[in-house]
Amino acid sequence: GDSVTQMEGPVTLSEEAFLTINCTYTATGYPSLFWYVQYPGEGLQLLLKATKADDKGSNKGFEATYRKETTSFHLEKGSVQVSDSAVYFCALSDRSGATNKLIFGTGTLLAVQP
Amino acid sequence: NAGVTQTPKFQVLKTGQSMTLQCAQDMNHNSMYWYRQDPGMGLRLIYYSASEGTTDKGEVPNGYNVSRLNKREFSLRLESAAPSQTSVYFCASRPGQGIDTQYFGPGTRLTVL
Repeated sequence: GDSVTQMEGPVTLSEEAFLTINCTYTATGYPSLFWYVQYPGEGLQLLLKATKADDKGSNKGFEATYRKETTSFHLEKGSVQVSDSAVYFCALSDRSGATNKLIFGTGTLLAVQP
Repeated sequence: NAGVTQTPKFQVLKTGQSMTLQCAQDMNHNSMYWYRQDPGMGLRLIYYSASEGTTDKGEVPNGYNVSRLNKREFSLRLESAAPSQTSVYFCASRPGQGIDTQYFGPGTRLTVL
């Protein structure tokens, strides 16, 4: 079945460092791809999404490009801030049937130090 | 516009007790979902409701029941809680056909002793 694999954390960076969190997926169809962020003690918030190959999602300085040839959707940010410390989840939307359920990776904890 | 709300925020139960987790959304969304989040496992789908009046099992439905009370509300019931159900539970909603983004509530942290 469909699945998502993302790099294990924790990822510890200094403020203003470059961030990459790797995400690859396996899917039989053409899923939408998402990055969700979970700040401490809160629920998941949509960070960005892409719905088809070569689409780039972006928000708050974060970017990810839907790469069908490498089945990847890596999250990047040029200069992280302490306020970016959170758990980041890569997910795909299973469009088969009526479910449209989200299939999540295990999450990557990002800790940004001042 | 509150989005997706969940009650309670925290709950401690003893093995064998029952409880209902409440979820409501004010965005007029058609579909609603219950997930559980466990360390190192991401989120897994328990049950979902594609539209008012319908419910169906997800990946990990054993030990749970759901009710789609109306378009706004989708509750999750644990009839006889077990320690393996200690988890954080998230409710989510989705507008409907053609839009696959889901919007999440703040979660309920449940501990079963």
